[in-house]
Amino acid sequence: AQKVTQAQTEISVVEKEDVTLDCVYETRDTTYYLFWYKQPPSGELVFLIRRNSFDEQNEISGRYSWNFQKSTSSFNFTITASQVVDSAVYFCALRTDSSYKLIFGSGTRLLVRP
Amino acid sequence: GAVVSQHPSRVICKSGTSVKIECRSLDFQATTMFWYRQFPKQSLMLMATSNEGSKATYEQGVEKDKFLINHASLTLSTLTVTSAHPEDSSFYICSARGTLGQGLSYGYTFGSGTRLTVV
Repeated sequence: AQKVTQAQTEISVVEKEDVTLDCVYETRDTTYYLFWYKQPPSGELVFLIRRNSFDEQNEISGRYSWNFQKSTSSFNFTITASQVVDSAVYFCALRTDSSYKLIFGSGTRLLVRP
Repeated sequence: GAVVSQHPSRVICKSGTSVKIECRSLDFQATTMFWYRQFPKQSLMLMATSNEGSKATYEQGVEKDKFLINHASLTLSTLTVTSAHPEDSSFYICSARGTLGQGLSYGYTFGSGTRLTVV
């Protein structure tokens, strides 16, 4: 069975703090893809990153970085020096090679306070 | 980049009426469309998957007679909520997947969502 777990329901930080959002996934497929999306209050989903199972390199994009560890089935997302505009719900998602369906985690609501 | 236009963004309807939500791919051919439903403060739940020209495949527990999906062309998919009731009030969002090379290297393009309120 495929599953994505985001254990942190809500996180509140003060601006400029670093924050890490956790994502743990389950799949028996050897080929799969992991995604992170941001959903601001307006509702639209903003694509942040896609990683395939064969690429364990960590990625950095500005203040965002991602740590993919197959050994622990985790794909964690860190925001460095958080800003108020980072306040949103963040979803981790999984797609396996056997299906085009995206399986979403329950989301983590991030509140960055000034 | 690939864009999916979803309309309306908000709709309020009376109980018992039907509501149609449209998703159009503006610069690519959406061979597959996914329809999701999201309740407040919850995750996105996949309702159905539709391939152009074929009947939609519904997820377990989703009433296909209540949520009619049409994907008759490569650029348009619609979701019709029939005989809507207050419990159908939710945020509905579509996601398109197209053929390779059509700006979809990341896989999916989401519409901006439709907030449905049934009164």
